[in-house]
Amino acid sequence: NAGVTQTPKFQVLKTGQSMTLQCAQDMNHNSMYWYRQDPGMGLRLIYYSASEGTTDKGEVPNGYNVSRLNKREFSLRLESAAPSQTSVYFCASSEVVGRDYGYTFGSGTRLTVV
Amino acid sequence: ILNVEQSPQSLHVQEGDSTNFTCSFPSSNFYALHWYRWETAKSPEALFVMTLNGDEKKKGRISATLNTKEGYSYLYIKGSQPEDSATYLCAFERGSTLGRLYFGRGTQLTVWP
Repeated sequence: NAGVTQTPKFQVLKTGQSMTLQCAQDMNHNSMYWYRQDPGMGLRLIYYSASEGTTDKGEVPNGYNVSRLNKREFSLRLESAAPSQTSVYFCASSEVVGRDYGYTFGSGTRLTVV
Repeated sequence: ILNVEQSPQSLHVQEGDSTNFTCSFPSSNFYALHWYRWETAKSPEALFVMTLNGDEKKKGRISATLNTKEGYSYLYIKGSQPEDSATYLCAFERGSTLGRLYFGRGTQLTVWP
């Protein structure tokens, strides 16, 4: 049982380059999320998808786009990378229905923009 | 902006000590309070999800309490061990946006042998 799989694990980009971070979950969860983690800032929500076919902005969406390709996959795209987007990115999924659920996180992508 | 505060920011204890951390969150529009354990170089793992005022949950030596009326939760670790060293995150979930979590900045715990 893989849980949440993120690729790549590490990436270095030059300013202005684009890239897509991939995320897939095999738990049949309805909801998926992209967070970024910066020192001293905690986890901040970039975008989320409450269910297949829907996406919504989180706290820090500027400079990013997302695609919920199907129930399993939720990708995050940086169209024109900037040094301010240097961060660790986490994908997560959850099942909203039910009272005893939590997030399952992927292992993270460490992105450096130079 | 929704404020979730955790204290202390970091904590260093000796093996065998018991310790506790605090998470403060808005008392209105409450749905759930989550606790996560985040070890270095790994991804956060869910510890507890609490939804009812007065909830108390336990997993081994770790327990948590919840007070939704005053907006705080405590996480306790009894007899800390070096393997408990991690960052402990709390996250608030509100009723109007189920599933979306607002994370605190975490308490970084170091347990010295």
